[in-house]
Amino acid sequence: DAKTTQPPSMDCAEGRAANLPCNHSTISGNEYVYWYRQIHSQGPQYIIHGLKNNETNEMASLIITEDRKSSTLILPHATLRDTAVYYCIVSFRGETSGSRLTFGEGTQLTVNP
Amino acid sequence: SQTIHQWPATLVQPVGSPLSLECTVEGTSNPNLYWYRQAAGRGLQLLFYSVGIGQISSEVPQNLSASRPQDRQFILSSKKLLLSDSGFYLCAWSGWIAKNIQYFGAGTRLSVL
Repeated sequence: DAKTTQPPSMDCAEGRAANLPCNHSTISGNEYVYWYRQIHSQGPQYIIHGLKNNETNEMASLIITEDRKSSTLILPHATLRDTAVYYCIVSFRGETSGSRLTFGEGTQLTVNP
Repeated sequence: SQTIHQWPATLVQPVGSPLSLECTVEGTSNPNLYWYRQAAGRGLQLLFYSVGIGQISSEVPQNLSASRPQDRQFILSSKKLLLSDSGFYLCAWSGWIAKNIQYFGAGTRLSVL
């Protein structure tokens, strides 16, 4: 699976959009980009995933560059409850037994009042 | 809807004592099941995964073992705990196709003293 690079920490004002970047320059054609978050002392929570098109759900939007070497997770109106570590993971979709989710260090997002 | 239960939430055990952590899933059949460990301030490490009853794959050689006696039950065990076994243990499940969309339990915080 491709390796990802994320900033260790970011701050965001409550009510503003939080834009979390992720670099994955070695991503292969069949690998997806997954985003999870982990609120302190809880289990990780799946947020969104995508292959090459931009994706949106009730939690967030995922913007993937045309060359697929980087992506941005957007929380449109961050709240204090969005304070968490955000993990960007690149992996095959999972049909094969060799697929894995590899959690790195992630980005600690702190939403300030 | 599907739910995942992990217990206990916290556990303090002496070095050399046995360990048994249990995870159960409700509301789904034939889930893939996973055990992860997270050391303090670090990312998650996949320990074991299971695609069916009695089928266990180990990701990392260690002092721990896993068993799946029933379709929706996953157990993490050790005969003799080491100090290095301390950490946050998380159980997760996924469907067959979208293996990388995983749903995590609340975790067990294990302290070995």
